[in-house]
Amino acid sequence: KNEVEQSPQNLTAQEGEFITINCSYSVGISALHWLQQHPGGGIVSLFMLSSGKKKHGRLIATINIQEKHSSLHITASHPRDSAVYICAGGSQGNLIFGKGTKLSVKP
Amino acid sequence: DAGVIQSPRHEVTEMGQEVTLRCKPISGHDYLFWYRQTMMRGLELLIYFNNNVPIDDSGMPEDRFSAKMPNASFSTLKIQPSEPRDSAVYFCASSLKGPPLYEQYFGPGTRLTVT
Repeated sequence: KNEVEQSPQNLTAQEGEFITINCSYSVGISALHWLQQHPGGGIVSLFMLSSGKKKHGRLIATINIQEKHSSLHITASHPRDSAVYICAGGSQGNLIFGKGTKLSVKP
Repeated sequence: DAGVIQSPRHEVTEMGQEVTLRCKPISGHDYLFWYRQTMMRGLELLIYFNNNVPIDDSGMPEDRFSAKMPNASFSTLKIQPSEPRDSAVYFCASSLKGPPLYEQYFGPGTRLTVT
């Protein structure tokens, strides 16, 4: 069993839909990271959080430390949101990564 | 700012050859990370440095892999000898702050193919 698991593995949505990607972890962590990997392969750091909720534009990330669970929400999804979303957890620099959720948003 | 720079972008080599991947972090960033990404295993941390000093190399697969950071603006990841199972995309990332809440800036990656 992976220490960081994401669901779903693949997600197809229509433009405008509200999207939720889930991340569960079994290890003790100090912080949870969400990354976005573009179709061309580039990786961008979206959020780092240790508690509560963070928002940036149409993206919202939440974490529940007690339940060892985090969610990434995208409101009013757009085709340009199509990417692989990766969560990672760690306490020092040794992040453990989930396998990613491939999101495709259709116009 | 140019961002994190990696070279080469693509490398094709034969099994047994030495491979050197290069990374220039963002100026002023004290932390540098090397990652490997494969279809089977996803992203994995190989090693990270703080102020040019290796802090955690527990992700380095075996003695064939070595990483150095001779100064704040340059790091190398060397594989000697290379094997087909080393084929992957290798990413370098840098950050201003350290763990646990640190925003990493990733380079474009080096796609390594070992035949």
